[in-house]
Amino acid sequence: AQSVAQPEDQVNVAEGNPLTVKCTYSVSGNPYLFWYVQYPNRGLQFLLKYITGDNLVKGSYGFEAEFNKSQTSFHLKKPSALVSDSALYFCAVRDTGNDMRFGAGTRLTVKP
Amino acid sequence: GAVVSQHPSWVICKSGTSVKIECRSLDFQATTMFWYRQFPKQSLMLMATSNEGSKATYEQGVEKDKFLINHASLTLSTLTVTSAHPEDSSFYICSARDPQAYNEQFFGPGTRLTVL
Repeated sequence: AQSVAQPEDQVNVAEGNPLTVKCTYSVSGNPYLFWYVQYPNRGLQFLLKYITGDNLVKGSYGFEAEFNKSQTSFHLKKPSALVSDSALYFCAVRDTGNDMRFGAGTRLTVKP
Repeated sequence: GAVVSQHPSWVICKSGTSVKIECRSLDFQATTMFWYRQFPKQSLMLMATSNEGSKATYEQGVEKDKFLINHASLTLSTLTVTSAHPEDSSFYICSARDPQAYNEQFFGPGTRLTVL
């Protein structure tokens, strides 16, 4: 069965600094990987996904993620964090034809 | 992109009553919809998969008689929490799969249920 792990419950960065939110996955076959962001009392907003192609995926709001097959990772990155990026971030994986499974979430706090 | 709506966005009810939550795909037809539950500061837990015109498939540990799911059309799925109790208080999120968009899932804004 597929699964994802987000090893950090909390990530704190200063505004303007680069940020990384980590995600590792376990899946049989080719993974479909996703990142979502959730603001308080809101649903999930899609940021980006990897299905195939370039390992570096660019998404919404300046976020990007790098698919690393050898390390089974899909870390979310942004070169310069904004205070408004503070939210809960979820990594998710979907096997071909299967349902989506989410990581535990990482709370990102960007301090001014 | 595809839009999924949920109604209501929040609901407060008394213990013992039933509450219905609607999930609609607004601009696409979804043969499959999903219902998730999220407790504070926790991840989304898949409750059930809803297929249009057939019975829902529930995840292990989810009571199908308590969480009734109906997917009567290609754009509407409903979740009814029957005889709600305070421990059912949670954030419920639905998503819909768009077969025309590589089966990508689009998520609704969520419904906050509070059972007094």
